[in-house]
Amino acid sequence: QKEVEQNSGPLSVPEGAIASLNCTYSDRGSQSFFWYRQYSGKSPELIMSIYSNGDKEDGRFTAQLNKASQYVSLLIRDSQPSDSATYLCAVNGLTGGGNKLTFGTGTQLKVEL
Amino acid sequence: DGGITQSPKYLFRKEGQNVTLSCEQNLNHDAMYWYRQDPGQGLRLIYYSQIVNDFQKGDIAEGYSVSREKKESFPLTVTSAQKNPTAFYLCASSEGGPGEQYFGPGTRLTVT
Repeated sequence: QKEVEQNSGPLSVPEGAIASLNCTYSDRGSQSFFWYRQYSGKSPELIMSIYSNGDKEDGRFTAQLNKASQYVSLLIRDSQPSDSATYLCAVNGLTGGGNKLTFGTGTQLKVEL
Repeated sequence: DGGITQSPKYLFRKEGQNVTLSCEQNLNHDAMYWYRQDPGQGLRLIYYSQIVNDFQKGDIAEGYSVSREKKESFPLTVTSAQKNPTAFYLCASSEGGPGEQYFGPGTRLTVT
C-alpha cells in the first residue's frame, strides 16, 4: 500500500469549472500537508499548505483536510488552461517524522477550452 | 532576489564517472533536501540536512553522497555506484520543522 496515494488521471475539466483533486495517506500521525503544482519539465511549486482539519482558501484554491478519514483535497475554482499541470500531494510526518515529506505520484489536470 | 539555484540545468555524463550537482540557497533556511524524480513516480528523498555539518540518509541514499559545510550550500555527488542515475534531481530547502519546502529549478542528469 502506497503511503500517499493520488489518482494519476488525467482529470479533464472544462474551462471555468471546479477541479477536485484528492489524496489519501496512511500515517495517522501526519502533521502537515501540502499541494504542489508541477508544469511539464519544471520543478514543483508550492501552492497550498494545511495543518488543521477543515478548509483553507487562497484565491481560487481551497485545501480541505480530514484527518479522521486521512484525506486531503484541493479544489480549483474557475479553472483556467494555465492550471493544466500535475498536482503533487505531500505529507509530513511519515517514516520517522521530522521534516521529511512523502509525495504522491501526482494527478495530471487538463483544463480544456 | 531570494531563492534556490541549481546548476547545471542539464548534465550529461558517461557511465562510471562521478558527478556533482550544485544547490545554493539564500533564503537563510536551516534545512536542505535532495530528491530525485523519475517518470511516473513521485519524488523520492535521497539525503537531507537539518543543520550545517550534519545530514541524514533518505529513502534512496545508496550511490549518492552529500556534504553540508555551509548553511547555503548542499552539493550532491552521484557516484558510479548508483545503478540508474539518469533522472531529474531536485533540491529543496525549508526553515525547519514540519513546514513548507521550496524547490530549486532542478538538474536533469543523463548518464550513457
